[in-house]
Amino acid sequence: AQSVTQLGSHVSVSEGALVLLRCNYSSSVPPYLFWYVQYPNQGLQLLLKYTSAATLVKGINGFEAEFKKSETSFHLTKPSAHMSDAAEYFCAVSEVKNNDMRFGAGTRLTVKP
Amino acid sequence: DAGVTQSPTHLIKTRGQHVTLRCSPISGHKSVSWYQQVLGQGPQFIFQYYEKEERGRGNFPDRFSARQFPNYSSELNVNALLLGDSALYLCASSLGGQGAYEQYFGPGTRLTVT
Repeated sequence: AQSVTQLGSHVSVSEGALVLLRCNYSSSVPPYLFWYVQYPNQGLQLLLKYTSAATLVKGINGFEAEFKKSETSFHLTKPSAHMSDAAEYFCAVSEVKNNDMRFGAGTRLTVKP
Repeated sequence: DAGVTQSPTHLIKTRGQHVTLRCSPISGHKSVSWYQQVLGQGPQFIFQYYEKEERGRGNFPDRFSARQFPNYSSELNVNALLLGDSALYLCASSLGGQGAYEQYFGPGTRLTVT
């Protein structure tokens, strides 16, 4: 079964600093990979997705992620953190045949002024 | 365009009761998936329906059931509620039933079982 592991349940950065949220996946076939963001008391919003096209994927709000097959990783980055980026971030992997999406445990991002 | 809507937003039930949660997908979307998100954890897949047929089922007991209607809206039913069923229940819709399709999430229904 496919799965993802998010390294670090809590990441804290200063405003303007680099954001790096780590995600490793386990899959026997080329996966579809996603990053979602969740603000308090809200649903999930898609940041970006990888569906076997370009390995460097650009998303909304300045986020991007790079698919590295050799490392089975799909880390999320943003060059300069903003206070509004503070939220919970989830990495997810999806099967080819259906929308059975498996989420990681999440990483809470805190941005300090 | 309206996004995915869910009702109710909150509800409180007693152990042993039954609950029905409702979801309306984005217009034109034919697939609906349900997820359970326990506080402090990532969402867990419960069901996927596409074109009114069950396409996938997660590791949940038979107390959980769902269906999709001809207008593609969906219901999630949970019988014999347990305290552990307290969670945020998320519905997501997508154009198609396969994994490459982007899923759009609703705001969720917060279920509290006492």
